[in-house]
Amino acid sequence: DAMVIQNPRYQVTQFGKPVTLSCSQTLNHNVMYWYQQKSSQAPKLLFHYYDKDFNNEADTPDNFQSRRPNTSFCFLDIRSPGLGDAAMYLCATSRDVTYEQFFGPGTRLTVL
Amino acid sequence: GENVEQHPSTLSVQEGDSAVIKCTYSDSASNYFPWYKQELGKRPQLIIDIRSNVGEKKDQRIAVTLNKTAKHFSLHITETQPEDSAVYFCAASPRSYNTDKLIFGTGTRLQVFP
Repeated sequence: DAMVIQNPRYQVTQFGKPVTLSCSQTLNHNVMYWYQQKSSQAPKLLFHYYDKDFNNEADTPDNFQSRRPNTSFCFLDIRSPGLGDAAMYLCATSRDVTYEQFFGPGTRLTVL
Repeated sequence: GENVEQHPSTLSVQEGDSAVIKCTYSDSASNYFPWYKQELGKRPQLIIDIRSNVGEKKDQRIAVTLNKTAKHFSLHITETQPEDSAVYFCAASPRSYNTDKLIFGTGTRLQVFP
C-alpha cells in the first residue's frame, strides 16, 4: 500500500505559470518535508513542517510556498516557475526528526 | 551549521567485491546517521541507520560504523551484486533547537559490474 503519495507524477508548466504539487500520507507522521532534487544531486530541503510548525530553509527562494492544512496533506506552491526550477520534487514524512524518512515517488516538474 | 562530506563520488567494483563509502560530519551534536539508496528514477529508500550511542550496526550484507571521536561514519557492502548499483546518500541529523532535519552528503554512485 502506498504510504506517501505525490500528485501529479509529472507536471509540465510554462515559465511564470503557477503550479501546485501535492503530497499525502497514510502514516500519520508528525513531520513532512519538501525536497528539490536535480540530476542525482543530493535532495535539497526546501522546508518542513513539524505538526503545524513551519520551518523554512534560509536559501529557499520566496517563489516557493507551502501549506499543510491537516496531518495528511501538504502542498508545494511555486508561484512563478523559472527554468531553474525544473527538477524532481520529493515529499517525505517521518514520525520524528531522528526517525526514518519515507519518501514519496516524486513529481518531475518541467518548465517550458 | 552541520556539514556532511561524502567520498568517493563514484565507485566501481566487481560483483562479489566489497564497497566502502565514507562520510564525515562537523556537528558533534549530531546523533542520527541514516544511509539512503536511490536507484535511477526512483525515490530514496533507507537501507540502514545508526544512532550515536552505537558504534556499529549490521543488516545482512550491509553494515555501518560510527566513530564519534573522529566524526565519521562509513557504509560497508559485502558480496556486492549488480542490483546494488545505485546512488547512495549518507546523512546526519544535528538535533538542536529548531533544527529538525537531515543534512545529506553529496552522494556516491556505485556501479557493480557482473
